[in-house]
Amino acid sequence: DAMVIQNPRYQVTQFGKPVTLSCSQTLNHNVMYWYQQKSSQAPKLLFHYYDKDFNNEADTPDNFQSRRPNTSFCFLDIRSPGLGDAAMYLCATSGRSSGREGTYEQYFGPGTRLTVT
Amino acid sequence: KNEVEQSPQNLTAQEGEFITINCSYSVGISALHWLQQHPGGGIVSLFMLSSGKKKHGRLIATINIQEKHSSLHITASHPRDSAVYICAVTNRDDKIIFGKGTRLHILP
Repeated sequence: DAMVIQNPRYQVTQFGKPVTLSCSQTLNHNVMYWYQQKSSQAPKLLFHYYDKDFNNEADTPDNFQSRRPNTSFCFLDIRSPGLGDAAMYLCATSGRSSGREGTYEQYFGPGTRLTVT
Repeated sequence: KNEVEQSPQNLTAQEGEFITINCSYSVGISALHWLQQHPGGGIVSLFMLSSGKKKHGRLIATINIQEKHSSLHITASHPRDSAVYICAVTNRDDKIIFGKGTRLHILP
């Protein structure tokens, strides 16, 4: 069963038209991450939440915002997408497993590929 | 200097060959990950290591904490193994730092 779900998998938006990408998890992990990955490059961290504490990377453009209304869901809002924002957006989670041993685990979502026309 | 370095950047091999991809890191970590990404696809987690060695099918991952080095091995490589393999580490602040990836191409 998928544990980190991203919707949609493919998103096309127009230049300047706000778009929201979503990520949900069934793991009850306390940390959630959003990454941007452009072609042939390593994923770049945009921000992450430690529980409700929001941590923004210094070079994340103001155009990118995030919301985490509860443990399970996290949203990436791009207020005015430009052509340079076309990329794969990856969500990841980390935390302790629910089992007795509570081992550290980490999972990645399948990504949302954003196209800006 | 990147905190996570991978080598080689690109690797082409014949079907059946034994493949090794290396990863070195320079920060304190709580875990190291090996990830696979097919062209245009999302990331699939292959292994998460904090010590020793793990095996899954034809894939083996090892880590040497003292040397801050990890290797990913593929035995009896197959064209469907062609993908980008990414080493990533989780640092002490819970941030994931990615290497630039190794592009592997297995020829039939």
